[in-house]
Amino acid sequence: KNQVEQSPQSLIILEGKNCTLQCNYTVSPFSNLRWYKQDTGRGPVSLTIMTFSENTKSNGRYTATLDADTKQSSLHITASQLSDSASYICVVMRMDSSYKLIFGSGTRLLVRP
Amino acid sequence: NAGVTQTPKFQVLKTGQSMTLQCAQDMNHEYMSWYRQDPGMGLRLIHYSVGAGITDQGEVPNGYNVSRSTTEDFPLRLLSAAPSQTSVYFCASSYSWGGPYNEQFFGPGTRLTVL
Repeated sequence: KNQVEQSPQSLIILEGKNCTLQCNYTVSPFSNLRWYKQDTGRGPVSLTIMTFSENTKSNGRYTATLDADTKQSSLHITASQLSDSASYICVVMRMDSSYKLIFGSGTRLLVRP
Repeated sequence: NAGVTQTPKFQVLKTGQSMTLQCAQDMNHEYMSWYRQDPGMGLRLIHYSVGAGITDQGEVPNGYNVSRSTTEDFPLRLLSAAPSQTSVYFCASSYSWGGPYNEQFFGPGTRLTVL
């Protein structure tokens, strides 16, 4: 079954600290994996997109990793800021005619001063 | 560029009422789609369109209709609202479909409550 599971469901960290969010998927065939940031009351915004041949991609303080063999990805946030408080959604695209996107339910991150 | 816009931001309906959620994009994107987001669940695809005049069903299409008469607009119609349709609705667009680097742009969402 095509699924994307994220952990933890929620996380609280202090401003300035680092954190890592996890994503495991069983989607097959695999095309690419995406991380989105969703601020409260807004639509998701793309952070990174990675194919199976890419194992690391950065976007400022955000670094995503992908292990296509174990079907795991992580999103590492460095030196967190209050503005990082949001939900982070992992999404996997199927490599078939549907190009269907399978969404995880997200990790809700709260950064406290 | 305004990107992807949605109206209204909030809406309350009574069971059985109909309404249209509006979505427009000014990026000349071919692909547009509608998702719903429910608590504790990932976004689920309702309907999508690969170009003007072409639409298809996603994974949860029941109770919804779409049409695409222009490249810019992709309205979502609720035929007879039910409490199960209480959700946040997002419209998204991308330059085309498929391909690993085809970034999707999401609108700000419409929060719908059906009483």
